[in-house]
Amino acid sequence: DAKTTQPPSMDCAEGRAANLPCNHSTISGNEYVYWYRQIHSQGPQYIIHGLKNNETNEMASLIITEDRKSSTLILPHATLRDTAVYYCIVGSYNTDKLIFGTGTRLQVFP
Amino acid sequence: NAGVTQTPKFQVLKTGQSMTLQCAQDMNHNSMYWYRQDPGMGLRLIYYSASEGTTDKGEVPNGYNVSRLNKREFSLRLESAAPSQTSVYFCATQETGLNLMMFFGSGTQLSVL
Repeated sequence: DAKTTQPPSMDCAEGRAANLPCNHSTISGNEYVYWYRQIHSQGPQYIIHGLKNNETNEMASLIITEDRKSSTLILPHATLRDTAVYYCIVGSYNTDKLIFGTGTRLQVFP
Repeated sequence: NAGVTQTPKFQVLKTGQSMTLQCAQDMNHNSMYWYRQDPGMGLRLIYYSASEGTTDKGEVPNGYNVSRLNKREFSLRLESAAPSQTSVYFCATQETGLNLMMFFGSGTQLSVL
């Protein structure tokens, strides 16, 4: 399974867009990019996933580069409740185990 | 629907004691997982079960055993607890073959003294 690299921490002002990058340069053709987040000590929560097209849902947008070697999770209007650790993970439908890295700790400040 | 239920929520053990962490799901998912999360760290996979009757090791299986009792339940056992096993344990489920959307329980905070 491809590995991912994320910055350890980021800050964002409330109301501004939070752009969280992820590098997955060894991703293979059938692997998706998934994003989860973990608020405080709760269990991780699914946010969004994509293969090669950009995706948007009620929580966030996912932008995947054309070569698929990196992606960006966008929270369009960050709130204090978006303060969490965000995990970028890659895997295919054949993957039977997900490997989480250390993620990016996003701090949203007033 | 309760989703993924873990019991207990908190537990304190002495070194050498044994215990079983329970996980039950009502989502009818095939795959179930056990992760541990040490303070300030990401999640590490201990064991997983792709279907009823099968289990496989993850990244950090030493010191643990698992049992997939049926499709709903997946338990994690510590036979002889050690301080290094102090951690938060998360159970998760996934519907294999559809996508990698996983659903997590609320966690069990375990302290081994």
